[in-house]
Amino acid sequence: AQRVTQPEKLLSVFKGAPVELKCNYSYSGSPELFWYVQYSRQRLQLLLRHISRESIKGFTADLNKGETSFHLKKPFAQEEDSAMYYCALEFYGGATNKLIFGTGTLLAVQP
Amino acid sequence: NAGVMQNPRHLVRRRGQEARLRCSPMKGHSHVYWYRQLPEEGLKFMVYLQKENIIDESGMPKERFSAEFPKEGPSILRIQQVVRGDSAAYFCASSRTEDYEQYFGPGTRLTVT
Repeated sequence: AQRVTQPEKLLSVFKGAPVELKCNYSYSGSPELFWYVQYSRQRLQLLLRHISRESIKGFTADLNKGETSFHLKKPFAQEEDSAMYYCALEFYGGATNKLIFGTGTLLAVQP
Repeated sequence: NAGVMQNPRHLVRRRGQEARLRCSPMKGHSHVYWYRQLPEEGLKFMVYLQKENIIDESGMPKERFSAEFPKEGPSILRIQQVVRGDSAAYFCASSRTEDYEQYFGPGTRLTVT
């Protein structure tokens, strides 16, 4: 069955420290993976997707099929990065593509 | 473009009552998705609709839940005879086509007392 696991509920780092938000997935097909972010009092929004291989707001994520991981990384955390981060897997099931989300990791960047 | 709108933002219902959640997609978007987020869990797909059609309802509970997206007006997620286990955040997303990015609404937090 398809599954997305984010093992950390909370990750607290100091400003300027590196950040790695972990995401592992379970999917028998070829995965399409995303990171979504939800800032305080704002709606969920797409941060990046693995197929675009972009760097958004300094964040990158590399798909590792061997380890079935899609960890989100940033070399130097900023206070404005504090938010809830969700990893999501898109898969085709039934009549359409669906997104399945992890439980989320709250990133708290301390000054 | 105001983005995806959901109302109400908070809804309190007693057990046995009906809950109606509304979602207005972004302008130009004809694809609507509903997700449910139970406490301590991630968002889970419920149903995917296009105008006047339910395309995929594989994530919907078999009973008491229904969804529609009429030709005019918002998409409605309806929960009949609510129970405490229905308490959750319900998110709607819309996209221009099936393969395009989904834009999320702010969610409706349903509390069943």
